[in-house]
Amino acid sequence: EIILTQSPDTLSVSPGERAALSCRVSQHIPSSYLAWYQQKPGQAPRLLIYGTSTRATGIPDRFSGSGSGTDFSLTISRVEPEDFAVYYCQQYGSTFGQGTRLEIK
Amino acid sequence: EVQLVESGGGLVQPGGSLRLACAASGFTVNSNYMAWVRQAPGKGLECISVLYSDDLIYYADSVKGRFTTSRDISKNTVFLQMNSLGAGDTAVYYCARGGGFNYGYAFDIWGQGTMVTLSS
Repeated sequence: EIILTQSPDTLSVSPGERAALSCRVSQHIPSSYLAWYQQKPGQAPRLLIYGTSTRATGIPDRFSGSGSGTDFSLTISRVEPEDFAVYYCQQYGSTFGQGTRLEIK
Repeated sequence: EVQLVESGGGLVQPGGSLRLACAASGFTVNSNYMAWVRQAPGKGLECISVLYSDDLIYYADSVKGRFTTSRDISKNTVFLQMNSLGAGDTAVYYCARGGGFNYGYAFDIWGQGTMVTLSS
């Protein structure tokens, strides 16, 4: 079973700052199979990034993804107020990480 | 408009059964693979089933042998039959569409979710 471990569990940043979220996979996966989702309270998750670095439709370019092998990351270049949410990574349309909560500092 | 609408959630006693439905519009459920993802209160996301084809369905260990995923092409709907329900099954259940090879099989469309609550 492939396990995804996200860090940190909670990230506190101020609006306008940069946020970097990490996702470590227990075994090598193709870059094409790593995705990121955003979930706000009371809402369904929303696809942000697929194939490690491709933004989904309508996702602003302050969101970027990178990585390969077992280490992947999601970066928000300048955090906007609407970005405070929980972020999940996922591999191959299956297992999710435990999530990183992005909160206001 | 491409969308998914879940229904069928509710309050159920331990050991009981429930069938969830996920009605699709704007695309056909037999041209995409479909998934069920659940989220227990205050917890993260758990992918519990993926319907790749009628002959190939993935189930998480936590639901294997108790839950069954199927689809009715004539109704453009996917179903999740849940039997032998227990307290650990209390969650919001989401239906999601797999975006296919070009999306790295990520889930590009999600329903709004339906709540299942176990209570005696």
